Amino acid sequence: GDSVTQMEGPVTLSEEAFLTINCTYTATGYPSLFWYVQYPGEGLQLLLKATKADDKGSNKGFEATYRKETTSFHLEKGSVQVSDSAVYFCALNDPQKLTFGTGTRLTIIP
Amino acid sequence: GAGVSQSPSNKVTEKGKDVELRCDPISGHTALYWYRQSLGQGLEFLIYFQGNSAPDKSGLPSDRFSAERTGGSVSTLTIQRTQQEDSAVYLCASRLGRGAVTEAFFGQGTRLTVV
Repeated sequence: GDSVTQMEGPVTLSEEAFLTINCTYTATGYPSLFWYVQYPGEGLQLLLKATKADDKGSNKGFEATYRKETTSFHLEKGSVQVSDSAVYFCALNDPQKLTFGTGTRLTIIP
Repeated sequence: GAGVSQSPSNKVTEKGKDVELRCDPISGHTALYWYRQSLGQGLEFLIYFQGNSAPDKSGLPSDRFSAERTGGSVSTLTIQRTQQEDSAVYLCASRLGRGAVTEAFFGQGTRLTVV
């Protein structure tokens, strides 16, 4: 079945550091890929998505590129802020069931 | 409605009691999902509805768990004879249509505590 493997957390970085959260997937079809974010005390919300190979999703300074050859969708940000502290979930949709990774807790220190 | 609505937001129940959790999806969204999020854990898939039918029930942890959806809208997740390990946040999400490209919108969840 479909699966998503995420970088184990927690991750702690200093403000303005470069962030990478790794995500790889296994799917039989041609999934769409998503990153969801859960800020403290809030519900899950979509951060960005990519619907086909080589697409790049971006939002709030975060980026992720759909790499079919490596079955990856790594999340990156060039300079993190304290307000980016949250739990990040990688997910795939192929084509109906939405499968999530285990989540990565990110803490940014001023 | 404006978003996915779940009720109650919090539920404390005694072990062995039955509970019902409700999800009211975004109007027009045909796909509906239930997930469970235990403390410090990821999202555990429970069940998926397309319209009123449930093509994927593979995530229900035991026969104490059941879910239904009527009128292609509101869904109810029922847990019978609750156990302490059922304590978690139960999340509902809805999505427009069958296509893979559409995003899911989540409710705020129901925090269930079994004492």
